[in-house]
Amino acid sequence: DGGITQSPKYLFRKEGQNVTLSCEQNLNHDAMYWYRQDPGQGLRLIYYSQIVNDFQKGDIAEGYSVSREKKESFPLTVTSAQKNPTAFYLCASSIGGASPYGYTFGSGTRLTVV
Amino acid sequence: DQQVKQNSPSLSVQEGRISILNCDYTNSMFDYFLWYKKYPAEGPTFLISISSIKDKNEDGRFTVFLNKSAKHLSLHIVPSQPGDSAVYFCAAQLTGTASKLTFGTGTRLQVTL
Repeated sequence: DGGITQSPKYLFRKEGQNVTLSCEQNLNHDAMYWYRQDPGQGLRLIYYSQIVNDFQKGDIAEGYSVSREKKESFPLTVTSAQKNPTAFYLCASSIGGASPYGYTFGSGTRLTVV
Repeated sequence: DQQVKQNSPSLSVQEGRISILNCDYTNSMFDYFLWYKKYPAEGPTFLISISSIKDKNEDGRFTVFLNKSAKHLSLHIVPSQPGDSAVYFCAAQLTGTASKLTFGTGTRLQVTL
């Protein structure tokens, strides 16, 4: 079955630590995205990548970093510079370009700072 | 600058009745509009979309209407079922922007028995 897998489902981080969220897709999609969901604020774009070895900042990139070394993988690192990292993180992929089908989303990672 | 707005954070509808979820946007250059459905602790799933050159698209119980002059779209669910209870996000896509989607803040739909 083709799909997009995020791991772990739940993640706890101590203040000052960096953590990396995994996102893998086997849909052969060119484009991948990271969004953050906070209550009452919808989905906000952190980073996106249209092609391997290339990525761009989204609307709220500060405190985050990404890499795109393989087409299938787009990990997100939440660094200690992110002031309010507790949120639900969603990874998505698409064929790229304008599409009536939009994105395929993963099931998300809930990150909590303890 | 919220380009896509869902002004109703919640909606309650009786089973069997029509649910109408609304969405407004500000950028007249958007090419596609999409609706996603999201259950708690899960990723959103694609529901239905409409091209900016159309004014209606229908898929089973779900119909999306687009009013370009008013920059408004709506999702109609008829008849509503308890399984439709979820958060619904409206999203818009602009050509040439790496197919990035701009999402609204969501409307929580509760379908009661």
